[in-house]
Amino acid sequence: DIQMTQSPSSLSTSVGDRVTITCRASQSISSYLNWYQQKPGKAPKLLIYVASSLQSGVPSRFSGSGSGTDFTLTISSLQPEDFATYYCQQSYSKVTFGRGTRLEIK
Amino acid sequence: EVQLLESGGGLVQPGGSLRLSCAASGFTFSSYAMSWVRQAPGKGLEWVSGISNSGASTSYADSVKGRFTISRDNSENTLYVQMNSLRAEDTAVYYCAKDMRYSSSYNFDYWGQGTLVTVSS
Repeated sequence: DIQMTQSPSSLSTSVGDRVTITCRASQSISSYLNWYQQKPGKAPKLLIYVASSLQSGVPSRFSGSGSGTDFTLTISSLQPEDFATYYCQQSYSKVTFGRGTRLEIK
Repeated sequence: EVQLLESGGGLVQPGGSLRLSCAASGFTFSSYAMSWVRQAPGKGLEWVSGISNSGASTSYADSVKGRFTISRDNSENTLYVQMNSLRAEDTAVYYCAKDMRYSSSYNFDYWGQGTLVTVSS
């Protein structure tokens, strides 16, 4: 099975900060990498698919990059509604999610 | 507007069975693959099972293979998962998720709000 390692597991940040979350796959997954946002008590929301494609309706401050084994999610200027948990997910071989990165207010 | 509404969750004893349903609306259900994803309390996301648009192709996580069966009724726009031989570690919120394609690309663009399954004596 492909393992997905996210870092950091949590991050204290402030509104306006630039935030980068990384995700590493245990083997090459080409660009088969998605990013989701989840708020407490809510379902996950797709932000980025196939590594860098922005899902319809998602603000342009979110961007994704990477291929092979190393990927990043960047939020260019953090907004109050962005404090949530973020998960990466590989779709190269079945499905595996990372353990999540929780963004907290500093 | 795409809507996915799960139902069928509840309390079940270890070794018991439960069938979850996911009623879909707002899109052509028969044109898209679907999956079930679960989340144990306070934990991360775990993919459970997926099915192609026609139902001809299914796949399962190793943790549920042989115990869970995914199916769909395209005439009723409904996704199912039959869960047998339930264990305490199956306790989770179960989400149904719509795929972006007819075959399982595993890019989930819409999710239901989830239904809680609790396995306990």
